[in-house]
Order: sequence, then C-alpha cells, then structure tokens
Amino acid sequence: NAGVTQTPKFQVLKTGQSMTLQCAQDMNHEYMSWYRQDPGMGLRLIHYSVGAGITDQGEVPNGYNVSRSTTEDFPLRLLSAAPSQTSVYFCASSYRVDNSPLHFGNGTRLTVT
Amino acid sequence: GENVEQHPSTLSVQEGDSAVIKCTYSDSASNYFPWYKQELGKRPQLIIDIRSNVGEKKDQRIAVTLNKTAKHFSLHITETQPEDSAVYFCAAGKAAGNKLTFGGGTRVLVKP
Repeated sequence: NAGVTQTPKFQVLKTGQSMTLQCAQDMNHEYMSWYRQDPGMGLRLIHYSVGAGITDQGEVPNGYNVSRSTTEDFPLRLLSAAPSQTSVYFCASSYRVDNSPLHFGNGTRLTVT
Repeated sequence: GENVEQHPSTLSVQEGDSAVIKCTYSDSASNYFPWYKQELGKRPQLIIDIRSNVGEKKDQRIAVTLNKTAKHFSLHITETQPEDSAVYFCAAGKAAGNKLTFGGGTRVLVKP
C-alpha cells in the first residue's frame, strides 16, 4: 500500500491563479479530509468527506472547493489563489468516520506571490 | 465550535528526563483525543490516542491521561531520547464524524 499520496510536493502560484491539489489513498478508507498547517496554529480543517459523493465544510473552507467522485480520490481546488493561502496542505484519511486514527499524506507546500 | 489550547509551545528537556504536554478543550461532547508527532519537514503521525471512557493509556514510554470533568488531557513522555525531538499536537473530536480540532503544537527539544 502506498497510503495517502499527495501531489505536487511544492507549488508556487501567482495571485488569482487556480490549481488543484491531488490526494489519493489506496487503503479503502471511508473518510478523507484536507488540513492546512500554518506556523503556531496547528492544523485547521478545510473540507472533509465521509464517503463518495458526500463532502462538507470544515473550519476554514473559504476559497477552496472539493469533490469526492470515487472512494480513492479527494482533490482540493483553489479557485483564485491569494497570499493568505500560502501554507502547507495535508490530506488525511481514516478507515471509519467515527474517530479512527487519521493517516496523513506527505503534504504540499504552497506559496502564493 | 471546539477550541483546543496546548501548553507549553516549546519544551526543552535533558535526555533521560520526562516531558509533559497539557491540552484543554471546550466542548464537553468531545470524546476522542489523539496525539500526533511531527518531525521536521514530515507528516504528522499518530503516537497514541484515548477515548473518553478511559482515564489513562500507556504505550511503552508514552502515556496519556484524561480528566473529563476538568476538560483537559496530557501527554507524558518518560526517559526522553534525542529522537523524541519533534513537534507534538493534541486534538479533540466527537463520535459523529472524524472532524478533529488540533492544538497549536509543542516543540520538544531533547538535549543529549
């Protein structure tokens, strides 16, 4: 098993550009989520999904869209990048939706200039 | 929503000493409390977790305690080693869904 795979590892965008961060898991996990990590602020939940076709907002959803067309994939779309979205983004999944351990991907470091 | 406070933000200990990190949470409905370790440039990895029906859990040199009445939980690392140097995050979540709220993190430095 590859676990949780995120691409790309690094990305630089100009303000106003759009892009998609990819996340895939091969563990047949029901639950998938996106977090952003900023210095001194821990990890904050952006969006999450409890199964294919079902998504919901987390703590900081503005400026981001998600979809879950398959169990394996959970892409995060930045619609119009802003400098405030400069961060490290982590995708995480778990086998069940009821507080089972999260497995994190290796992260994507995004810089918006 | 849930709010998780974590202290201290940095902790320096001598190798072999113990380290204690404390977290408080605000939502009494939270019932799942995991701890994650993140080494520099790496992803967070689960090191131990506890559910609200248990007061204490231990795994080798790591232990977690939970006080539901006071709404706080702590991570204890005994006999610290240089490889324990990392950032540690606490989190709190509820049974309905896996939405975890994380604390701000504690940077632990173990000096040889």
